[in-house]
Amino acid sequence: QQQVKQSPQSLIVQKGGISIINCAYENTAFDYFPWYQQFPGKGPALLIAIRPDVSEKKEGRFTISFNKSAKQFSLHIMDSQPGDSATYFCAASKTGAGSYQLTFGKGTKLSVIP
Amino acid sequence: DADVTQTPRNRITKTGKRIMLECSQTKGHDRMYWYRQDPGLGLRLIYYSFDVKDINKGEISDGYSVSRQAQAKFSLSLESAIPNQTALYFCATSDPGLGGEQFFGPGTRLTVL
Repeated sequence: QQQVKQSPQSLIVQKGGISIINCAYENTAFDYFPWYQQFPGKGPALLIAIRPDVSEKKEGRFTISFNKSAKQFSLHIMDSQPGDSATYFCAASKTGAGSYQLTFGKGTKLSVIP
Repeated sequence: DADVTQTPRNRITKTGKRIMLECSQTKGHDRMYWYRQDPGLGLRLIYYSFDVKDINKGEISDGYSVSRQAQAKFSLSLESAIPNQTALYFCATSDPGLGGEQFFGPGTRLTVL
């Protein structure tokens, strides 16, 4: 049973455009939603994360939008740049008793073309 | 991230062989994790350890075992490797006081022939 569904699998965006990646979760106990960025040959690295007490979090060109009632969250990359080309993973976890055991989506390969 | 190192970085082995992947960290984190990454399947948790005396199975532990030799070292073993264990393996660490962020190593690419 896949608890975090991510779409699309791949995305091609022109430089300067907006990249949008969507995730949906099933477990209502999840209360921590990070996005990880992975470049080829590297391990994933935390990009931005949100908790369900807010509907949006912005860090530079990266924004997470969170819809608790729909059990969905999305990553928006504004003014996409070729350097943003990477694979992006959404994830979710419960944090009760400090657990933070992450369940990952299947990933989205983003290509930003000049 | 140089604070989490994995050895070897690449390994080719044959079906039935025992293989060990090693992870070391200098972050001082108590929590360590092993993940497997397959194309189109994302990252799946194999085992995790919240301290030296605590080992827990993840989503896909069958065919794998782990050893937490010290706070800084967490090894993953494949007792009898099979071709469908060909994958990219990542070790990660975390400190719950830092809000849930996991810090990943550079990965080990394992090929089982």
